[in-house]
Amino acid sequence: IVLTQSPGTLSLSPGERATLSCRASQSVANSYLVWYQQKPGQAPRLLIYATSNRATGIPDRFSGSGSGTDFTLTISRLEPEDFAVYYCQQYGTFGQGTKVEMK
Amino acid sequence: QVKLQESGPGLVKPSETLSLTCAVSGYSISSGYYWAWIRQPPGKGLEWIATIYHSGNTYYNPSLNSRVTISVDTSKNQFSLNLSSVTAADTAVYYCARRSTSGEPPNPFFDYWGQGTLVTVSS
Repeated sequence: IVLTQSPGTLSLSPGERATLSCRASQSVANSYLVWYQQKPGQAPRLLIYATSNRATGIPDRFSGSGSGTDFTLTISRLEPEDFAVYYCQQYGTFGQGTKVEMK
Repeated sequence: QVKLQESGPGLVKPSETLSLTCAVSGYSISSGYYWAWIRQPPGKGLEWIATIYHSGNTYYNPSLNSRVTISVDTSKNQFSLNLSSVTAADTAVYYCARRSTSGEPPNPFFDYWGQGTLVTVSS
């Protein structure tokens, strides 16, 4: 499975809505998607598992959706601490990442 | 609170073997879960390397399978990675992580991560 994330970079302002896409090269029955956030010099942090379940301590402005081959991570209102790189993952494969940068 | 800490040499010569250990605290490896190694070349994305269960069951990334060995020492509550015949392409930050699952069939995700350790392959 190849996971393709788009866009590569998203330039937005605090308070704006961010929509990140992750597309799988093939659909695997009963497959979920996982999202991580990574800030410079830090390990990835689990955000969303099983496509739409927020991990412990993750604010509700983060939400995940999708099925089949198309999945989305939405950040409803960007906070300054949300500017980071986001990775999707399915089984043993990671996407190449989307950087959310401040406009 | 589950904590993971990687340790090992920061510099390895080409053609030699990279060896890293991950010490786990706050949770007994023998109690369950799978444990994994993931790496990230500088400025690039994440690559899963291998996963192990406390019983010794292992899974390897096919692209690295022939060079990788993952092992577990439940008495020390740690697990290890060996990557042989390294080249400059193996230069990366190496993370250890705990693997959880959800759904059926089990879909894996990594819920606890170490801080990572940079390993540079250079003569």
